[in-house]
Amino acid sequence: QQPVQSPQAVILREGEDAVINCSSSKALYSVHWYRQKHGEAPVFLMILLKGGEQKGHEKISASFNEKKQQSSLYLTASQLSYSGTYFCGTGAGSYQLTFGKGTKLSVIP
Amino acid sequence: NAGVTQTPKFRVLKTGQSMTLLCAQDMNHEYMYWYRQDPGMGLRLIHYSVGEGTTAKGEVPDGYNVSRLKKQNFLLGLESAAPSQTSVYFCASSTTAREQFFGPGTRLTVL
Repeated sequence: QQPVQSPQAVILREGEDAVINCSSSKALYSVHWYRQKHGEAPVFLMILLKGGEQKGHEKISASFNEKKQQSSLYLTASQLSYSGTYFCGTGAGSYQLTFGKGTKLSVIP
Repeated sequence: NAGVTQTPKFRVLKTGQSMTLLCAQDMNHEYMYWYRQDPGMGLRLIHYSVGEGTTAKGEVPDGYNVSRLKKQNFLLGLESAAPSQTSVYFCASSTTAREQFFGPGTRLTVL
């Protein structure tokens, strides 16, 4: 069953912050986050493993609440380059992922 | 390193025709995956492999077959193409529980 992402789409002005949520009905071992620009392949952002770990990558960070089976992606001080569609991929095991339908993020000047 | 490569990049088929998509990776990854991506649906797993000579079904395996004869290659076959198989196909590879590296995709249209 696909995880549910929210919101489906969001428009930001440069410098604004955003949060993208990912919720699963299954117990999770890991959550992956990917960004895909139009016409390109998805690119890995970060992975969070069971344990409630929070990871960061420049101005993008994420959290994982394994009890609630939820993860959130935080984008701080957004840049034009952050535009794209963000996917969470959830894993009950060590390698197979189920992806959400994506959140389209548009950053405007 | 080329990473993950896919051939062909584009293909148009007629209903009932067959074809094979080739995925190759040079990172010595054990795990390989085939996904399809349709508008508004995200990425859906078709088949995957956890090592040379092994394959398993994903979420949407019907109408597809796969083979992993060599560790670096993962082939996706369509025996009798249908318009519902019009999609963008992505191959990916990974090590255990780590990031998946995606190929550039194959855009397939079935008329």
